[in-house]
Amino acid sequence: GENVEQHPSTLSVQEGDSAVIKCTYSDSASNYFPWYKQELGKGPQLIIDIRSNVGEKKDQRIAVTLNKTAKHFSLHITETQPEDSAVYFCAAANTNAGKSTFGDGTTLTVKP
Amino acid sequence: GAVVSQHPSWVICKSGTSVKIECRSLDFQATTMFWYRQFPKQSLMLMATSNEGSKATYEQGVEKDKFLINHASLTLSTLTVTSAHPEDSSFYICSAPSVRFVSDEQFFGPGTRLTVL
Repeated sequence: GENVEQHPSTLSVQEGDSAVIKCTYSDSASNYFPWYKQELGKGPQLIIDIRSNVGEKKDQRIAVTLNKTAKHFSLHITETQPEDSAVYFCAAANTNAGKSTFGDGTTLTVKP
Repeated sequence: GAVVSQHPSWVICKSGTSVKIECRSLDFQATTMFWYRQFPKQSLMLMATSNEGSKATYEQGVEKDKFLINHASLTLSTLTVTSAHPEDSSFYICSAPSVRFVSDEQFFGPGTRLTVL
């Protein structure tokens, strides 16, 4: 099955700095890579996603890059704000099978 | 985006009792729903795939007789934790893909916190 590794497990940055979270996956059949933000006691919320036919996607301060050959993808958050503090999960999915496999999560803390 | 609700949001029960958790897609139909379990400071672990009108598919290591799943309609799936024990205490989250949207996105419910005393 799919195996997703996520690093780092914790990340602390100063407000205004950039944050980068990296994930690797093992199954070459995975074709959809979403990133979720989870606040304490709540369900995950999709913040950005990318498909295997795209190398990069950006949405305001958030961007995701995908390297299919190396089987890794990254989340980039620029101009971080305290409200960006949360746990971020990457996931890899084969949309034909429907299931997603999640990384272990990264706790991001943005210091004012 | 689509909305998925869960009820209850939290529940406390005594060991040995059964607890039912509901997952509803509010503004779209979901032939498939996924049930996840999340322990504190850990990732989401897929427990089972709920299929409308047919039996659920359980992940390896998940006891189907303990975690009963029923997907009786296109907007409702239920997870019943039978004979709950303290080790079943966890955050249970459901999700559903929406075929209404041209997207592979999964829509997650807000989760249900189960505490077994």
